[in-house]
Amino acid sequence: DGGITQSPKYLFRKEGQNVTLSCEQNLNHDAMYWYRQDPGQGLRLIYYSQIVNDFQKGDIAEGYSVSREKKESFPLTVTSAQKNPTAFYLCASSPEERRQPQHFGDGTRLSIL
Amino acid sequence: GNSVTQMEGPVTLSEEAFLTINCTYTATGYPSLFWYVQYPGEGLQLLLKATKADDKGSNKGFEATYRKETTSFHLEKGSVQVSDSAVYFCALTARGSNYKLTFGKGTLLTVNP
Repeated sequence: DGGITQSPKYLFRKEGQNVTLSCEQNLNHDAMYWYRQDPGQGLRLIYYSQIVNDFQKGDIAEGYSVSREKKESFPLTVTSAQKNPTAFYLCASSPEERRQPQHFGDGTRLSIL
Repeated sequence: GNSVTQMEGPVTLSEEAFLTINCTYTATGYPSLFWYVQYPGEGLQLLLKATKADDKGSNKGFEATYRKETTSFHLEKGSVQVSDSAVYFCALTARGSNYKLTFGKGTLLTVNP
């Protein structure tokens, strides 16, 4: 079955540590996205990528970094500069046709130790 | 810019009650409209979509009609079940935002037996 796989499901970060969240898709979608969701909040866009080797900042990119070396992979690094990283992180992808909906993974819950 | 406003929750209903979750939007151009559903601890799933005025999206007994004259996309279901308990997000994409998804803040629905 085609879909988006996020790993790990739960992740813990120590102070001053960088952590990387994995996102892989086998839908052959061109565009990929990272969102942050806080309790009782909507989704906020962190970064997005429309083609390999290119990505753009979303609304809350500070303290995060991404890479897009392969079409199917879009990992997100939460750096030590992100002072409030505890949240639910969602990865999504969509086809090149921009009116099509985004498909979401099951999320990674990041907590601070 | 684009924006989505949906009714604030939480909404609590008894099983078999009628559901309406209001959603209105502002957008440049002609947006595509979506409803997503998020079950506890999971990612978002596309529930239904509409890409042009007067389109009706439907799925699993849920319906929403794209009303351009009132810039609305209200979600309805005639008889809710306990299994419909989830958070519902209204969203749009439009050329003015480079087709990035703009979300409402979500509405928590709880259905009691």
